[in-house]
Amino acid sequence: GAVVSQHPSWVICKSGTSVKIECRSLDFQATTMFWYRQFPKQSLMLMATSNEGSKATYEQGVEKDKFLINHASLTLSTLTVTSAHPEDSSFYICSARDPASSYEQYFGPGTRLTVT
Amino acid sequence: GQNIDQPTEMTATEGAIVQINCTYQTSGFNGLFWYQQHAGEAPTFLSYNVLDGLEEKGRFSSFLSRSKGYSYLLLKELQMKDSASYLCAATDSNYQLIWGAGTKLIIKP
Repeated sequence: GAVVSQHPSWVICKSGTSVKIECRSLDFQATTMFWYRQFPKQSLMLMATSNEGSKATYEQGVEKDKFLINHASLTLSTLTVTSAHPEDSSFYICSARDPASSYEQYFGPGTRLTVT
Repeated sequence: GQNIDQPTEMTATEGAIVQINCTYQTSGFNGLFWYQQHAGEAPTFLSYNVLDGLEEKGRFSSFLSRSKGYSYLLLKELQMKDSASYLCAATDSNYQLIWGAGTKLIIKP
């Protein structure tokens, strides 16, 4: 099956700093990638849809200036959490859509962010 | 509006059978997914249904009724490792996934 990687798998940063998370589709070209956030014991919350070569589409309530998304190639999307606060601490998961496979989304392993 | 409903939590016994139901309302419909998610891990794909009927895959089966906006995931011969959250997600007319809140399944010996 298709593989999506995420890096780093976990990160601890101080308040006010920025953190970049990478999402890569390893064996297929992903024209669309998705970024989710999941707080403990809650379901996935879609943050934004990232389309290669164009601006990301953010869900209501998600600050686009705080969560910067770049989808510069068909295999890489990045999420940068700027000026991180402790309330940004969460599990961030990316997924990539393979148009050749019934529009299934393949998930990366997730990145656990802790802001101190 | 778009909405997915599934039970918050279910408990079952090892070796038994459990059915997790999901009802959906979406703008258009292009199929329904079931994902399994263990605590602290990303979701993993279980099944995809776009036509009415039952799809069987080993111990897991998934059913869809488009006319009723209803799906279920059936898990047979439950094992302790099946303890996880099970997420139902429907795709709308734009192929966007609309997620349910997930059903936490607790397996008891």
